[in-house]
Parts: sequence; structure tokens; C-alpha cells
Amino acid sequence: NAGVTQTPKFQVLKTGQSMTLQCAQDMNHEYMSWYRQDPGMGLRLIHYSVGAGITDQGEVPNGYNVSRSTTEDFPLRLLSAAPSQTSVYFCASSYSTASGTYEQYFGPGTRLTVT
Amino acid sequence: LAKTTQPISMDSYEGQEVNITCSHNNIATNDYITWYQQFPSQGPRFIIQGYKTKVTNEVASLFIPADRKSSTLSLPRVSLSDTAVYYCLVEKGGGNKLTFGTGTQLKVEL
Repeated sequence: NAGVTQTPKFQVLKTGQSMTLQCAQDMNHEYMSWYRQDPGMGLRLIHYSVGAGITDQGEVPNGYNVSRSTTEDFPLRLLSAAPSQTSVYFCASSYSTASGTYEQYFGPGTRLTVT
Repeated sequence: LAKTTQPISMDSYEGQEVNITCSHNNIATNDYITWYQQFPSQGPRFIIQGYKTKVTNEVASLFIPADRKSSTLSLPRVSLSDTAVYYCLVEKGGGNKLTFGTGTQLKVEL
């Protein structure tokens, strides 16, 4: 059971370039999310998905797109990279417990630098 | 979403008990209190979650008073490996969106 995996671990982009950050989970979790973490800050929610085919915006969605064609995969696309998107990106998956709460499992992160 | 307030940093020594208090004055009836731990260069890791009174697991205890406007994460007999950032979150029951603050940086020394 690999849990939540993210690729790549590191990426350097030039301003204006586009790329896709990959996220996969093998726990059959319904819910998946993308967060970004800037230095010295907490995580901020970018986009999330409550199931295959369903996505919604989080706190900071501008400049990012997501899709969820399968339960396992939740890629994050940067449309036109900007220096302000330099950050560490975390993907998470979660399931609903018997009490109705959620426990989120986070991936190892992708460190992105935009020059 | 209810906002949380917790100390920016705390220092402790190995073997001591550490209590980190979080205030969440605007917590709603169906909100749960959740704590995550984050080591440098890693994603956060779920520690414990509770609704009221006391919850205990193999790594921590969570104390929640009757008014639920605050909570305290208790780490028994900390070690150097407990040095991390600890986040207190208020999570809406049935929801999936987490709001992280800046957390508490715990430093454990010999």
C-alpha cells in the first residue's frame, strides 16, 4: 500500500510554462485535495474533489485546474506558471470515518520553483 | 470556518509532557477538532481528532472542555523526534476542506 504518491518531487519552471503535478492514491478514498504551502505558512486549499468526475474550488484556485477521471488520480495543472506559484504542493486523500469525520493522508509534496 | 489561535512556538525537554492549547471561539455545533503534525519537507500527518471531553490514542491525548471554545493537545514524555509543527484545525462534520493556520513550532531539546 503506497498511500498517496506525488510526482515529480522537484520542478523548476520558467514564467509562462505549463505543467501537471501528478497525484495518485491506492486506498480507494473518495476525497482528494490539493494544497500549497508557502515558507513559514500553513497549508492553503487549492482544489478538491469529492469523487470521480466532481471537483470544486478551494481558497486559492486561480491559475490552477484539476480533473478527476478516476478515483485514484487527481492531477493539478498549472496553466501559465508565475513566480507567485513558487511553493510546495501537497496532495491529500481522505475517507469518511464511522463518526462522519475525515482523516486526511498527505503525500510527500512537490517543491516547485518558478523563475 | 472557525478560526483557530495557537502559540507560535514552544520549547520543551525530552521526557516532559507538552500541552499545546488552541482556542476556537466560533466553533459550530457540528465541528470537530483535529490536530496534525508536520515535519520539515513532509506532508502533515493526522494525530488525533475529537468532539468533546477527552480522546486518547497511542501518541496523544486531546482535552476539550464543555464549551468547546478551546482544546489542548497533550504529548506525554516527548522526545527529540517530536520536534515538529503542530496544527490545530476545526473541521466541519461531513466536510472535507481543512483550513490550516500557521501552527505551533515545538522544539524538544536534550
